[in-house]
Amino acid sequence: EVQLLASGGGLVQPGGSLRLSCAASGFMFDNYAMSWVRQTPGKGLEWVSSIVGGRSTIFYADSVKGRFTISGDNSKNTVYLQMNSLRAEDTALYYCVRSAGGINTWFDPWGQGTLVIVSS
Amino acid sequence: DIVMTQSPDSLAVSLGERATINCKSSQTVLYSSNNKNYLAWYQQKSGQPPKLLIYWASTRESGVPDRFSGSGSGTDFTLTISSLQAEDVAVYYCQQYLTTPLTFGPGTKVDIK
Repeated sequence: EVQLLASGGGLVQPGGSLRLSCAASGFMFDNYAMSWVRQTPGKGLEWVSSIVGGRSTIFYADSVKGRFTISGDNSKNTVYLQMNSLRAEDTALYYCVRSAGGINTWFDPWGQGTLVIVSS
Repeated sequence: DIVMTQSPDSLAVSLGERATINCKSSQTVLYSSNNKNYLAWYQQKSGQPPKLLIYWASTRESGVPDRFSGSGSGTDFTLTISSLQAEDVAVYYCQQYLTTPLTFGPGTKVDIK
């Protein structure tokens, strides 16, 4: 069974940092692109970042470029999202998702998500 | 960026009746080289993450009941639930995966009338 377990969320002050982790199991991790998608009541679902192709190709949404860094560790079947210079608008439920192939494929499955709250 | 819109925002349908959700993209998501529409549909039930229903605009994911179907091409797409069941109460999202940024529609909430 494919499982994606996201962790690392929490309450952080504006300007602070958090590192999210997503532990994957049940599939050949090396063969898939991995992404982070966030959800807020106000903005709905927003793609944040993806890492593909043996972890050598990376994409970011403009809203997080320069502040967030995605990375992957194939030896641990884990993908990370380092979030720096956090803003109130980064408050969201962050989902770890697997892509069927490269960046130009659908998301399946979705993990349960980890909640990030940016507030003073 | 490709902007995705959905209509209606919400709808209530009687059990056993048809529910139709529309999705429109601001640019075509049809890739001419392979004639595929880079469009997916997801279902999100309360308190759960989204679940893939349909990809390539009309290909049903394994295990998804055949009352769910997707259609359309280019910029206009439809998700149809042919006979609404109680377990179909959810928010439904479309998403384009042709280009980054990958973008989602705002969602359509489906309830029982």
